[in-house]
Amino acid sequence: AQTVTQSQPEMSVQEAETVTLSCTYDTSESDYYLFWYKQPPSRQMILVIRQEAYKQQNATENRFSVNFQKAAKSFSLKISDSQLGDAAMYFCAYRSWMSGGTSYGKLTFGQGTILTVHP
Amino acid sequence: DTGVSQDPRHKITKRGQNVTFRCDPISEHNRLYWYRQTLGQGPEFLTYFQNEAQLEKSRLLSDRFSAERPKGSFSTLEIQRTEQGDSAMYLCASSLRELSDTQYFGPGTRLTVL
Repeated sequence: AQTVTQSQPEMSVQEAETVTLSCTYDTSESDYYLFWYKQPPSRQMILVIRQEAYKQQNATENRFSVNFQKAAKSFSLKISDSQLGDAAMYFCAYRSWMSGGTSYGKLTFGQGTILTVHP
Repeated sequence: DTGVSQDPRHKITKRGQNVTFRCDPISEHNRLYWYRQTLGQGPEFLTYFQNEAQLEKSRLLSDRFSAERPKGSFSTLEIQRTEQGDSAMYLCASSLRELSDTQYFGPGTRLTVL
């Protein structure tokens, strides 16, 4: 079974600065997806960024980028030019490539990292 | 924008009562997932539907839990004889296989069992 670990329960950053959230995972599969989801207080979870394991290029979405190290099984999220609206719980999640068998595309989440943005 | 919707948003019940939650996925999404999230933790997978077929159930889903998706559209999650340990946020997500299978989440139903 796959596991996802986020070792930083809480992080903080000053507005306009850069912060990196860490995530490691364990899997025996060679192909899979990795995701970062954002969950603002009392609001629904939204997708921030996704990475296909077969792609060597790190995914980017505007101010959000990842550092994907497949051999190390590491998947960190970098938020540049942090904004007050970035304050939320961030979850790293894993999904198998093959949506069948015992997987069916279910997401396995880490414990989450609470990000606080100071003005 | 018709995203994933869930009803009710909050439910308070007494131990031993039955509760039912509803999830309406994004139109035409053929995959539907239920997750449970306890305070300060990441969501945990409960069950999955492809169209109307329930294809996987987590071991977390005891025999007091049942889920249906009768016409391949909305889904219901019922908990019988609720226990205090059932208190959690119940999240629904949907996806369309042909579009990268990204899961879109609803706002969740927060259950409190007294």
